[in-house]
Amino acid sequence: EPEVTQTPSHQVTQMGQEVILRCVPISNHLYFYWYRQILGQKVEFLVSFYNNEISEKSEIFDDQFSVERPDGSNFTLKIRSTKLEDSAMYFCASSEETTPSDTQYFGPGTRLTVL
Amino acid sequence: AQSVSQHNHHVILSEAASLELGCNYSYGGTVNLFWYVQYPGQHLQLLLKYFSGDPLVKGIKGFEAEFIKSKFSFNLRKPSVQWSDTAEYFCAVNDRSAGNMLTFGGGTRLMVKP
Repeated sequence: EPEVTQTPSHQVTQMGQEVILRCVPISNHLYFYWYRQILGQKVEFLVSFYNNEISEKSEIFDDQFSVERPDGSNFTLKIRSTKLEDSAMYFCASSEETTPSDTQYFGPGTRLTVL
Repeated sequence: AQSVSQHNHHVILSEAASLELGCNYSYGGTVNLFWYVQYPGQHLQLLLKYFSGDPLVKGIKGFEAEFIKSKFSFNLRKPSVQWSDTAEYFCAVNDRSAGNMLTFGGGTRLMVKP
């Protein structure tokens, strides 16, 4: 069964550094998402992406964050200058269609630790 | 602000016990409702979803959930749990008027003792 994959599984970085988290969505999916979960807190929506542009974004997704689909398979989340509070598990998801009822399939996550 | 609440943070059951996990949401409009499960070391997987029709939804592995609109609830049930059901369970809600984003509850850790 096709799965969403994410790399790396764990990323450690120094405060102020840029990080890029990578995701490979399921191949025929059209809608892509990033969520994050700070330790001990809820999974929170960051951004959704469709047709090469951002569809929705949350208040968390400020100018420090950006997303890109650099080629036909990867979907990336960039944090320009990491802060301690960016430490979290970041989940990528994808869905086949653009309807809200469509299932979002999640990747295993990247644990980001900012020191 | 819109929110999703899962009141049980940790649940411990013995095998064959019945399970009910609560989920309440605060939206007044039309919603889609989901339960996801995360087994140890694995990614979030969909258990079941509701978006229209019969409010009693059946999912994988013997799970079901009932949408009660008047109570803003979507509780997850299983009549007889197994050790392999040990996992974290997340309720998620999509407000159809607000796009495709999911709002998650805080999760419930279920431990099933053999």
